[in-house]
Amino acid sequence: GAVVSQHPSRVICKSGTSVKIECRSLDFQATTMFWYRQFPKKSLMLMATSNEGSKATYEQGVEKDKFLINHASLTLSTLTVTSAHPEDSSFYICSAGTVSHEQYFGPGTRLTVT
Amino acid sequence: QQPVQSPQAVILREGEDAVINCSSSKALYSVHWYRQKHGEAPVFLMILLKGGEQKGHDKISASFNEKKQQSSLYLTASQLSYSGTYFCGTEIDSGNTPLVFGKGTRLSVIA
Repeated sequence: GAVVSQHPSRVICKSGTSVKIECRSLDFQATTMFWYRQFPKKSLMLMATSNEGSKATYEQGVEKDKFLINHASLTLSTLTVTSAHPEDSSFYICSAGTVSHEQYFGPGTRLTVT
Repeated sequence: QQPVQSPQAVILREGEDAVINCSSSKALYSVHWYRQKHGEAPVFLMILLKGGEQKGHDKISASFNEKKQQSSLYLTASQLSYSGTYFCGTEIDSGNTPLVFGKGTRLSVIA
């Protein structure tokens, strides 16, 4: 299967700081990547759809100024959590779609805001 | 619209079989199945695109009914490594659209 990487895998930051999470498709090009958030024992919640070369599409209730998404190339999308607060602590996962419609997830980033 | 998964949880002994269902009120373009272990990201198992399709590898297989509104995941002769939470993700439209996930089915396989 296709490989998607995420970095960092785990990050702890102080309240008020910003954190950038990178998502890369390693062996295929992804014009579209997706960012999800998952709380413990819950399902995955779509935050936004990241499109290469254009603005991201955010789901209702997701603040676009707080969660900045940049899809810089066909293999890289970044999510920046700005002015992080403890309630932003969560497991953030990206996925990328292949031409055969399969979607592969990155390993996830566990964010803890203190 | 979120697909409905059942059961919510199941406990099996090694070697037993299980079926996990995923239903939608609307016809789907595709169904994707994933397994997620605690603290890890979901791992892709398979995708079904055609009504009436059945596919699988090893002892894990899945079906997609003719109306493309229901999919089932079959786990036969379960192994300890099958434990985890299984999610179905569904697409309504073709193209690279985001998946809508069910609430998951927690599967525990015990010795």
